[in-house]
Amino acid sequence: QQQVKQSPQSLIVQKGGISIINCAYENTAFDYFPWYQQFPGKGPALLIAIRPDVSEKKEGRFTISFNKSAKQFSLHIMDSQPGDSATYFCAASKGGSYIPTFGRGTSLIVHP
Amino acid sequence: EAQVTQNPRYLITVTGKKLTVTCSQNMNHEYMSWYRQDPGLGLRQIYYSMNVEVTDKGDVPEGYKVSRKEKRNFPLILESPSPNQTSLYFCASSTSDRVAFFGQGTRLTVV
Repeated sequence: QQQVKQSPQSLIVQKGGISIINCAYENTAFDYFPWYQQFPGKGPALLIAIRPDVSEKKEGRFTISFNKSAKQFSLHIMDSQPGDSATYFCAASKGGSYIPTFGRGTSLIVHP
Repeated sequence: EAQVTQNPRYLITVTGKKLTVTCSQNMNHEYMSWYRQDPGLGLRQIYYSMNVEVTDKGDVPEGYKVSRKEKRNFPLILESPSPNQTSLYFCASSTSDRVAFFGQGTRLTVV
């Protein structure tokens, strides 16, 4: 049973465009929702995270939007750059469990 | 430098030959975990550990063993590897803030 569902599996965007990746979860006990970025040949690294007491968090060109009632959250990358080309994973964890459950990942390609 | 170190980075082995992938972290994290990454399937948790001598199964534990005798080390053991265990493996350690730090990965091929 997949606890965190992520879409799309792959995404191609032109430089300067907006990249949007969506995730949905079932377990209402989840209370921490991070996004990880993975470049080829590297391990994933934390990009940005949100807790459900806020509906949006922004860090530079990266924004998480969170909809608690719909049990959905999304990552928006504004002004996408070729250097953003990577695999992005959404994740979720719950109190007492410090190890996240991951979505299946989205391969993002930003064309120059 | 704070890091999670996995060894080896690349490994080709034959079916049935026992192997161990080591993982060590220097951040004094209590929580450690192993994942395998396969195309289209993302990161799937194999085993995790909340503390020394405390381990538990993740989503895909079959065919794997782990141990946590020391806080910094969390080796992954394949007693009798099979071709379906060919994958990219990641070790991670997590803070109490729930931030996971990943190693560089181990690409395992079982022939």
